[in-house]
Amino acid sequence: SQQGEEDPQALSIQEGENATMNCSYKTSINNLQWYRQNSGRGLVHLILIRSNEREKHSGRLRVTLDTSKKSSSLLITASRAADTASYFCATDETQGAQKLVFGQGTRLTINP
Amino acid sequence: DAGVTQSPTHLIKTRGQQVTLRCSPKSGHDTVSWYQQALGQGPQFIFQYYEEEERQRGNFPDRFSGHQFPNYSSELNVNALLLGDSALYLCASSLLVTGKNEQFFGPGTRLTVL
Repeated sequence: SQQGEEDPQALSIQEGENATMNCSYKTSINNLQWYRQNSGRGLVHLILIRSNEREKHSGRLRVTLDTSKKSSSLLITASRAADTASYFCATDETQGAQKLVFGQGTRLTINP
Repeated sequence: DAGVTQSPTHLIKTRGQQVTLRCSPKSGHDTVSWYQQALGQGPQFIFQYYEEEERQRGNFPDRFSGHQFPNYSSELNVNALLLGDSALYLCASSLLVTGKNEQFFGPGTRLTVL
């Protein structure tokens, strides 16, 4: 069953704008990871945030985690056409259990 | 530093046939996980291998089996193929000792069952 639920399911913005995607999950987690997928290809690992972290940055990406609300957000600043892709959050529920549980993803389209 | 590789890229089979997909993990990684991704869905966990043993299994029938070799590479076997097995099959590798479960994915194998 899906643990993560991304919101919105689809997002379309103009190049240069910021894009925010949200992820909610149901159980206690060890880590939360964000991935990007282009047109049915493999998943590209973007960032991992541990359950005891609240915010993490990587280049134009900013991830926040609120374990009390069981939610995370991914912010992409100054979007580019190459950011057009599907974005997934994935959680692993307990330490030692390495199965990743994915949501259905957010389809992001950057319009030139 | 080689990333995760998978073969073949695409595969077409007919119902009832058997298929074997292959995966080589990222250099330095010792754990391999397999996922199935149907069109428009998120990946679903099939199973994970570590030290040549199945460590964890998702909700998939016994038709799905796997193997890990001493060099950490892995195979996914699917018997008695059904139309519903058509999907993108993704392999991911990680290093167990870090405890971070940071999984890196390969490009996937697109399986079409006719």
